[in-house]
Amino acid sequence: DTAVSQTPKYLVTQMGNDKSIKCEQNLGHDTMYWYKQDSKKFLKIMFSYNNKELIINETVPNRFSPKSPDKAHLNLHINSLELGDSAVYFCASSQHLPRIRLYTEAFFGQGTRLTVV
Amino acid sequence: RKEVEQDPGPFNVPEGATVAFNCTYSNSASQSFFWYRQDCRKEPKLLMSVYSSGNEDGRFTAQLNRASQYISLLIRDSKLSDSATYLCVVNPYSGGYQKVTFGIGTKLQVIP
Repeated sequence: DTAVSQTPKYLVTQMGNDKSIKCEQNLGHDTMYWYKQDSKKFLKIMFSYNNKELIINETVPNRFSPKSPDKAHLNLHINSLELGDSAVYFCASSQHLPRIRLYTEAFFGQGTRLTVV
Repeated sequence: RKEVEQDPGPFNVPEGATVAFNCTYSNSASQSFFWYRQDCRKEPKLLMSVYSSGNEDGRFTAQLNRASQYISLLIRDSKLSDSATYLCVVNPYSGGYQKVTFGIGTKLQVIP
């Protein structure tokens, strides 16, 4: 029973195309994230949503547009794909604990390996 | 200065050895700390949380030093299956939101 699932697992597409990656979590968490892991293996946060509201946007080109229809889903749409967008994109979720000013650990999806040719 | 710094390694150690990784962080407002493990071509998975008092889980021990702003991970009696990349995670909590920040990861290779 997958906790955080993202589709597709692999995506090969041409430059200039538009593509979407979907993410769903069944953990009941209120916070979801998108991360990009490039060829140097560095995991960099792109976006964070809390209860469908965007709370973190880390200097990401506006070709990337996240959408959260509800707190269990966070999709990523990418317009006009470029070669440099090739990477593994991970979705993750965690739970906010405001009383103790903490978040629980993040659970990750299996990743989407995007290759732009 | 990077928000979270780790030595990328690789650390090549023989089976049975003890190995330690450190990770330093720059934001003193950081509230929670974790070690994650990432196997090749897989997603990161939580290895252990790091508490102020330190914590131990079998062969793994994590420590937090707030004064010097670093966390550590000690692995005793290394197994071949411990070969992976170990990611330090620091969560600064400011303005009511956290920014889960990963280190670059330390690659460990346990050799027979």
